[in-house]
Amino acid sequence: EDQVTQSPEALRLQEGESSSLNCSYTVSGLRGLFWYRQDPGKGPEFLFTLYSAGEEKEKERLKATLTKKESFLHITAPKPEDSATYLCAVQERYGGSQGNLIFGKGTKLSVKP
Amino acid sequence: DAGVIQSPRHEVTEMGQEVTLRCKPISGHNSLFWYRQTMMRGLELLIYFNNNVPIDDSGMPEDRFSAKMPNASFSTLKIQPSEPRDSAVYFCASTANYGYTFGSGTRLTVV
Repeated sequence: EDQVTQSPEALRLQEGESSSLNCSYTVSGLRGLFWYRQDPGKGPEFLFTLYSAGEEKEKERLKATLTKKESFLHITAPKPEDSATYLCAVQERYGGSQGNLIFGKGTKLSVKP
Repeated sequence: DAGVIQSPRHEVTEMGQEVTLRCKPISGHNSLFWYRQTMMRGLELLIYFNNNVPIDDSGMPEDRFSAKMPNASFSTLKIQPSEPRDSAVYFCASTANYGYTFGSGTRLTVV
């Protein structure tokens, strides 16, 4: 079964139109939740790590929040350069693969001017 | 810091041929990961190393896939023989326990 589910799969916004991306997860114990940005033809680029429910982190127009079952990536007044695929990943606290990141399939964001 | 360096960037090969992908992690990072990305399945872990030792290879799809890390600055992922269903983007990532850094990937096409 999927351990990390992202929604929506694709999102089209007008420049300045704020919205949120969702990442829901199912793990026995969360060591960390990661957000990455991926541009076409490139590797994922690290954005944030969240470790505990209630934690929030911000970077420019992006803010990531975490609850016990999901994380949101809020995008405030997006610009066309924010267009990318945003990936969520979890790292489990227990089990044999504690170093592994388990990725969702991503949300493809398009911001039109 | 040049980041994680992967080569080649693109590889086109015929079915049945051997393919070797290469990765140079960031100096000082003690863990290295090989991921495969496809449209259908997203990013999937193939294998990861900690201090040059393979820790989890449960994601390696078949015996046709093998990976080595002979030293802290170099790793290879080999597919022999290659098949069309191996076509994907292969990423290498490294970490020193915070903020995994990915390379730019190798786009493999097996025809």
